[in-house]
Amino acid sequence: GQQVMQIPQYQHVQEGEDFTTYCNSSTTLSNIQWYKQRPGGHPVFLIQLVKSGEVKKQKRLTFQFGEAKKNSSLHITATQTTDVGTYFCAGNAGGTSYGKLTFGQGTILTVHP
Amino acid sequence: NAGVTQTPKFQVLKTGQSMTLQCAQDMNHEYMSWYRQDPGMGLRLIHYSVGAGITDQGEVPNGYNVSRSTTEDFPLRLLSAAPSQTSVYFCASSLGPAGDYEQYFGPGTRLTVT
Repeated sequence: GQQVMQIPQYQHVQEGEDFTTYCNSSTTLSNIQWYKQRPGGHPVFLIQLVKSGEVKKQKRLTFQFGEAKKNSSLHITATQTTDVGTYFCAGNAGGTSYGKLTFGQGTILTVHP
Repeated sequence: NAGVTQTPKFQVLKTGQSMTLQCAQDMNHEYMSWYRQDPGMGLRLIHYSVGAGITDQGEVPNGYNVSRSTTEDFPLRLLSAAPSQTSVYFCASSLGPAGDYEQYFGPGTRLTVT
């Protein structure tokens, strides 16, 4: 079945440093979504990427979808303590998997002030 | 709007007991899903529904049952609880197919099976 791998599993940064998490799928994706989960909270939708090579920005967050639509990344510039949490990618392969999201394992981000 | 609500927030069960996790949404979403979250494993899909009366299995359906009699409610039933079902359970809803639309998650139910 479809697998979505996410690295790194943990990332500790000093406030102000940059952060990147990477997502790789075993199959070509129709689209990919990113979610953030604060400690003790529930996942909250950040963005969806659909087009090959797509790049979207939300303030300090930059999201990319690979040309082959099998990988994606989330980059945070100049992290802040409010960025703490777990970041998940979730892919939709379409076909028989239509309507189902497969989540990566998540990257737990810790920001030291 | 309350969004997606889940009850209870916490539950402790003994092995072999059964229970129902409740999930309700007031956004008139057709699509609803149940996930379990375990450390280091992300969220795994248990069951999902594309509308009232229609459900299907996800990645890890064994030991769980669902039904969807109304658009608003999507309960998850544990038939005979096992320690391996200790997890955090999230219900989610979306306007359309989960892969195409933003999913709204409930606050979760933390279940411990002893």
